[in-house]
Amino acid sequence: GESVGLHLPTLSVQEGDNSIINCAYSNSASDYFIWYKQESGKGPQFIIDIRSNMDKRQGQRVTVLLNKTVKHLSLQIAATQPGDSAVYFCAENPEPVSGYSTLTFGKGTMLLVSP
Amino acid sequence: ETGVTQSPTHLIKTRGQQVTLRCSSQSGHNTVSWYQQALGQGPQFIFQYYREEENGRGNFPPRFSGLQFPNYSSELNVNALELDDSALYLCASSLGQVQGIGYTFGSGTRLTVV
Repeated sequence: GESVGLHLPTLSVQEGDNSIINCAYSNSASDYFIWYKQESGKGPQFIIDIRSNMDKRQGQRVTVLLNKTVKHLSLQIAATQPGDSAVYFCAENPEPVSGYSTLTFGKGTMLLVSP
Repeated sequence: ETGVTQSPTHLIKTRGQQVTLRCSSQSGHNTVSWYQQALGQGPQFIFQYYREEENGRGNFPPRFSGLQFPNYSSELNVNALELDDSALYLCASSLGQVQGIGYTFGSGTRLTVV
C-alpha cells in the first residue's frame, strides 16, 4: 500500500547547526502534510504543516519545504538546540474518506543534538 | 484548557488476556482517534470515534474495539492479546473530522504483552 517514509533514521548535529530532516511520500493525491516532534515518553507534538498549494512555509526556527514533483518534504530547523533532540515524523492527512480524516505517519528520524 | 490524558501509563499483560486503555479528550474536542506505535516505528491508525460511533478504521482485526462516551472520552479494548500487540498506544483528540483539524496527542499507554 501507499505510505509515508523517511530517508535517514538518525541525524546527529552540533548545537547551533541547521538541521534538515527529509521525508518521501508515495500518495500523489496527498494534499496536506504535518511535521511532528516526539520526545521520549511523550506523544507526537505538532510543529508545522503545509498544504499542497504551497511549496514553503516558515514558523519559528522551522521551515517546511514541499516538492510535489518528486513527492518530497523536508523540515529545516535553524540554530538547532539540545532541546530539539527528539524523533521527528512527517504525516500525511489526506482528504476525508467516507466521512473521516486520519493521519498516515512515516517511520521517523531521530535527531541528536550535541552541545 | 486541559490536554489529552491517557491511563494507565504502563501496563504488562499476558498473552491471551484482555486489556482496556482509557483516554480523556481535550476540552472542546469531540473526535478521538487511536494509534498503535511499535518500537522504532511511526504511529499506525487503529480507528476513530465521533459522536460515540466508530466512523473509520485502519488495518486492525476485530479484537481491537473501542467506545466513546457522551463526554467524548474513549476506551480502546484489545482481546486475546498477542505478543505483537506490545506497543505504545496513542490517543489523539480533535474537533470534527475534517482535514487539517489539529490533533492533540496524549502521552500514550505503553503495553507490554508477555
